[in-house]
Amino acid sequence: DAKTTQPNSMESNEEEPVHLPCNHSTISGTDYIHWYRQLPSQGPEYVIHGLTSNVNNRMASLAIAEDRKSSTLILHRATLRDAAVYYCTRPGYSNYQLIWGAGTKLIIKP
Amino acid sequence: NAGVMQNPRHLVRRRGQEARLRCSPMKGHSHVYWYRQLPEEGLKFMVYLQKENIIDESGMPKERFSAEFPKEGPSILRIQQVVRGDSAAYFCASSRRGQGSLETQYFGPGTRLLVL
Repeated sequence: DAKTTQPNSMESNEEEPVHLPCNHSTISGTDYIHWYRQLPSQGPEYVIHGLTSNVNNRMASLAIAEDRKSSTLILHRATLRDAAVYYCTRPGYSNYQLIWGAGTKLIIKP
Repeated sequence: NAGVMQNPRHLVRRRGQEARLRCSPMKGHSHVYWYRQLPEEGLKFMVYLQKENIIDESGMPKERFSAEFPKEGPSILRIQQVVRGDSAAYFCASSRRGQGSLETQYFGPGTRLLVL
């Protein structure tokens, strides 16, 4: 099955780090892992992507396991604006399709 | 620098009518992807197009659904004879070069279709 697996929901306190896990055990060696987030009634917003090594940008960090079967999105200091559904995606049948699971609903407590 | 634009944002149709959803990619992008999202679910790939070409339509239902991306103008997702099960949010994404998973897809705000 090409779908990614994520926890349904997670809670975190404001200003604390958040680690969002994702399993993608059937991913191939050349497939990038992309993370998006979606606010209610909005389109998905790109967060970060990577292949093998860990990646950082202004929004988040992405830690990819050595065997590439899992990855973790890290928000270093969560704010209320980070409350969203976070999706870990990977290519599917063809390299152009992104396969989406049900995502993780991140709840930030003030 | 405008992002991906979709219109209409909301569309209401009665069963049997046609729905036309439009997508204008980001400036400089010539690759367009359409996805469908049901409530509480992730997105499902429908079709990938370049200008004047359908590259991958493996996620499109075989009947009633069609997509195009003409040389001039927006990409259009067309649903003929809509049924209640077509009610969903339809998202369009675009990318610059179409290099598969190497490249980021940027999404529009979506069109929410409601079939009565």
